[in-house]
Amino acid sequence: RKEVEQDPGPFNVPEGATVAFNCTYSNSASQSFFWYRQDCRKEPKLLMSVYSSGNEDGRFTAQLNRASQYISLLIRDSKLSDSATYLCVVNPVDSSYKLIFGSGTRLLVRP
Amino acid sequence: DGGITQSPKYLFRKEGQNVTLSCEQNLNHDAMYWYRQDPGQGLRLIYYSQIVNDFQKGDIAEGYSVSREKKESFPLTVTSAQKNPTAFYLCASTPYPGEDTEAFFGQGTRLTVV
Repeated sequence: RKEVEQDPGPFNVPEGATVAFNCTYSNSASQSFFWYRQDCRKEPKLLMSVYSSGNEDGRFTAQLNRASQYISLLIRDSKLSDSATYLCVVNPVDSSYKLIFGSGTRLLVRP
Repeated sequence: DGGITQSPKYLFRKEGQNVTLSCEQNLNHDAMYWYRQDPGQGLRLIYYSQIVNDFQKGDIAEGYSVSREKKESFPLTVTSAQKNPTAFYLCASTPYPGEDTEAFFGQGTRLTVV
C-alpha cells in the first residue's frame, strides 16, 4: 500500500460546482498534513495546511479524520483558475522527517 | 527575498554523461530534498538531507548522487547509471521539522536526454 494515496482524476466540473478530493495515508503517527497546488510545468505551492479541527480559507475547506486516516479538500464555487493538480502531503514527523507526497488529483474546471 | 533557486531551468544531456543540478536556498532551512516528477505523475523522493554533511536515500536513489557540504546548497548529480533521466526535477527545503512544516520549492529543472 502506498504511504499516501489520492484519486488521480481528472475531475471535470463546470464553473460554480463544488468538488471534493480525498487523500488517505498509512502512517497513523503522521502529524502534519498539507494540500499543495501544482500548475502545469510549474513547482508545487502550498495551498493550505490541514488542522485537526478543520480549517477554511475562502472557498477552500480542509478536513482531517485521524480515525480513518484521511484528509479532504473541498472547493466551493469552482473557478476556471482552480484548474490544476492538487497534491496531498504528509509529514510523519518521525525519525526520517521526510515529506511524503501523493501523486496528485487533477482538476479541470470548464466554462 | 528568501527562497530556493534551481539552475539551470532546462538541461540537455547526452547519453553516458553525468550532469549536476544546482539547488541553493537562503531560508536558513536545515532540511533539503530532491524530487523527480514524470509527466502526469506525482513527486518521487530521490534524496534528502536533514543537516550538513548528512543525507539519506529516498525511494528512487539509484543512478543519482548528492552532497551537502554547506547548509545552503544541495546539488544533485544525475549519473550515467540512471537509465531514464528525462524528467522534471524539483528541489525543496523545510525548516527543522515542527508541527507545521511547509515545504518551499525551487522552480525546477527540466532534464532531457538527447
